[in-house]
Amino acid sequence: QSALTQPASVSGSPGQSITISCTGSNSDVGSYNLVSWYQQHPGKAPKLLIYEASKRPSGLSNRFSGSKSGNTASLTISGLQAEDEADYYCCSYAGSTTFVIFGGGTKLTVL
Amino acid sequence: QVQLQESGPGLVKPSQTLSLTCTVSGDSISSGDYYWSWIRQHPGKGLEWIGYIYYSGSAYYNPSLKSRVTISVDTSKNQFSLKLSSVTAADTAVYFCARDVGSSSGRFDHWGQGTQVTVSS
Repeated sequence: QSALTQPASVSGSPGQSITISCTGSNSDVGSYNLVSWYQQHPGKAPKLLIYEASKRPSGLSNRFSGSKSGNTASLTISGLQAEDEADYYCCSYAGSTTFVIFGGGTKLTVL
Repeated sequence: QVQLQESGPGLVKPSQTLSLTCTVSGDSISSGDYYWSWIRQHPGKGLEWIGYIYYSGSAYYNPSLKSRVTISVDTSKNQFSLKLSSVTAADTAVYFCARDVGSSSGRFDHWGQGTQVTVSS
């Protein structure tokens, strides 16, 4: 099964909002509300931002939000800050054969 | 505070078996609350899920790697391990272990720092 599709890069200015899309299929994103999002800074381990498509872990800034419609999930970051510059990955449960699949990643540049 | 730490050789020869261990502290694998995963990241590339294991020993693998992967658990040491056989240069990557708190759904809330493994003669 192919990776979920994300844009290679997005950019925004401080204070602005950006949205990263994650497109899958009826076998993964479209069938389960089990999409998570991760932030990864260079040389670091990924950090969980969103789970079950729209839920935030305790203590995470509400500048990060998630949604899902059909086969596409989205991550929105509002009030962009310099420290948001990182790679972002979506991840979805894909059933009892494939189990877990990641997106190809999106590099966010804060201008 | 939950912590995961990968350990193992950083250099493996082609055709040999890559072996890594993840030691968990601050949580007990045998509690049965979570799944325990291996994930890798090729140089400059995205994340690839390798597989996960439950405390009982039940393991589930990425279909593309299934023929070469074995994940095992040692609850007495609070560790789980990865073995990847017949490695090639394409297996050169940073390998992460992680805790899946979403009942095997890909909700990884704690990660190890990652360990670089290079396949080269």
